[in-house]
Amino acid sequence: EAQVTQNPRYLITVTGKKLTVTCSQNMNHEYMSWYRQDPGLGLRQIYYSMNVEVTDKGDVPEGYKVSRKEKRNFPLILESPSPNQTSLYFCASSLYPQQSETQYFGPGTRLLVL
Amino acid sequence: AQSVTQLDSHVSVSEGTPVLLRCNYSSSYSPSLFWYVQHPNKGLQLLLKYTSAATLVKGINGFEAEFKKSETSFHLTKPSAHMSDAAEYFCVVSPFLNAGNMLTFGGGTRLMVKP
Repeated sequence: EAQVTQNPRYLITVTGKKLTVTCSQNMNHEYMSWYRQDPGLGLRQIYYSMNVEVTDKGDVPEGYKVSRKEKRNFPLILESPSPNQTSLYFCASSLYPQQSETQYFGPGTRLLVL
Repeated sequence: AQSVTQLDSHVSVSEGTPVLLRCNYSSSYSPSLFWYVQHPNKGLQLLLKYTSAATLVKGINGFEAEFKKSETSFHLTKPSAHMSDAAEYFCVVSPFLNAGNMLTFGGGTRLMVKP
């Protein structure tokens, strides 16, 4: 089944403890992206990747890192999480980084930083 | 820069009555426009998209949307609401020229369907 998977789905952590949220897609998509969803703000893009080893900042990149060493994986790293990073996170992918391409979303990771 | 405004944060309808979720956008050139739906505790699913072909776009589950360039609107409609339509809906714009930041989301509209 074609899909985007994320792990973990739920995570509670404390301020300053490094964490990684994994994202993987099995559709051979070139483009991958991370979003955070906060009430009333819709989804805002954190980082995106046009292809392997090509990443760039989205609208809200502060406090996050990403890497794209393989085409299928795009992990999101929080080196020193803070409470304002408590949010719902979505990974997404599309075949090409083109305007009309449909993006496919993972199921989401709910993060609580205490 | 592009932006999306969903005019209602909450919409409540009775089962069997029409649904209208309103969306206005601003974008340079010709955008692509999407509606996504998010059911509770689920990811986002594409309902439909407009990519400069027909202005009336039909999607899944009986939803459709009409692109009106003169009004910069892309409202989502359904003739008859079903209980399973209760969810949050996002209007999304992807501008014609972009540098990789592909999608700009509206704030979302929560649709409630009463029996």
